[in-house]
Amino acid sequence: KAGVTQTPRYLIKTRGQQVTLSCSPISGHRSVSWYQQTPGQGLQFLFEYFSETQRNKGNFPGRFSGRQFSNSRSEMNVSTLELGDSALYLCASSRNLAGVNTGELFFGEGSRLTVL
Amino acid sequence: QKEVEQDPGPLSVPEGAIVSLNCTYSNSAFQYFMWYRQYSRKGPELLMYTYSSGNKEDGRFTAQVDKSSKYISLFIRDSQPSDSATYLCAMKAPGAAGNKLTFGGGTRVLVKP
Repeated sequence: KAGVTQTPRYLIKTRGQQVTLSCSPISGHRSVSWYQQTPGQGLQFLFEYFSETQRNKGNFPGRFSGRQFSNSRSEMNVSTLELGDSALYLCASSRNLAGVNTGELFFGEGSRLTVL
Repeated sequence: QKEVEQDPGPLSVPEGAIVSLNCTYSNSAFQYFMWYRQYSRKGPELLMYTYSSGNKEDGRFTAQVDKSSKYISLFIRDSQPSDSATYLCAMKAPGAAGNKLTFGGGTRVLVKP
């Protein structure tokens, strides 16, 4: 069974640009979450999507957005990039068995964004 | 103060020793507790999952939850160099929180041959 796939794995952007990251969850998983990981702040929750609807959002500015498609694949977008957006962006999927959100997340390997 | 506190380490142990990791938390609503292992340049991998209080064992790994003290632990027996990684605790409250997890900052573990 394939795991969570994230693309691209590495990318370099300059300040003011925008970026789109993609995530394909494990087959059958309908919940997709995004996290930002930095050395100083650790893993911080960005947002979660379930059945194409955002059902949870972390404390990030509106420059960070996302969406989920009918096949559960998800994208996140960061506009007007700032130096502080340099981070590892992790996508995770979850089974959501019988409607129970247990928090068992399966992570991808991440997209490492460097903003110059 | 962070909601979940975890000593960043590094924690250095000789091969074969027991590794003891822990996290403290302040939110009494947390009911689901997880430990993730993260190798350098990789995504976190779910190691152990515990609901509410108690112990759970899986091979060389034992997870303990003490909700009265708001304290969770992970023990790794017979540690191997391949256990060298960063270990992250994570927690979740039930209900409307969906799958939003609150993570500790991670403890870096080095197992020396």
